[in-house]
Amino acid sequence: AQKVTQAQTEISVVEKEDVTLDCVYETRDTTYYLFWYKQPPSGELVFLIRRNSFDEQNEISGRYSWNFQKSTSSFNFTITASQVVDSAVYFCALSEARTGNQFYFGTGTSLTVIP
Amino acid sequence: DAGITQSPRHKVTETGTPVTLRCHQTENHRYMYWYRQDPGHGLRLIHYSYGVKDTDKGEVSDGYSVSRSKTEDFLLTLESATSSQTSVYFCAISRQGGTGELFFGEGSRLTVL
Repeated sequence: AQKVTQAQTEISVVEKEDVTLDCVYETRDTTYYLFWYKQPPSGELVFLIRRNSFDEQNEISGRYSWNFQKSTSSFNFTITASQVVDSAVYFCALSEARTGNQFYFGTGTSLTVIP
Repeated sequence: DAGITQSPRHKVTETGTPVTLRCHQTENHRYMYWYRQDPGHGLRLIHYSYGVKDTDKGEVSDGYSVSRSKTEDFLLTLESATSSQTSVYFCAISRQGGTGELFFGEGSRLTVL
């Protein structure tokens, strides 16, 4: 079974629109970590955020915000006032205390911001 | 930027030939990983290492082997390359393992004809 599901394969928005990327995870652990990574067209993978299972406080970093809800096993990522530079593939990932040092990635959401 | 270098960055080879990809880090991180990226599959773990000579399999380890004789180097070997191993391979490092973030290399594009 997929541990991390990113149901949105591709999303297109017009510049300045807000967009939310969904991430649903599955785990039996009480201790786990969630991550988001960005892969721009140039291909590198860039770390965006890490959240542990005991910290449900939402986080905001500039135009980026993350909503962690344990009740729905979701860790959604919102970009406010999107820009063309936000065009990328975004990956959500999970690591569990029980399985040690492995990271499980979703299949990614390709975001295109249209000028 | 994390000091991670992958080599080669691009390689074209023929079915049945051995291929070795190298990952070199200058961060002295304990954990190193090899992932492959394929359309529709995201990133899938091949093997990882939690120390010198300590390695473990990931979800897609068949057909691959790894070695880590020094902290800074993690080698991925395809003993006999197949077309299904055509992919982009990413090396990643982590100081804390599963509790910390991954830092990725630039990727190695392998084409098996």
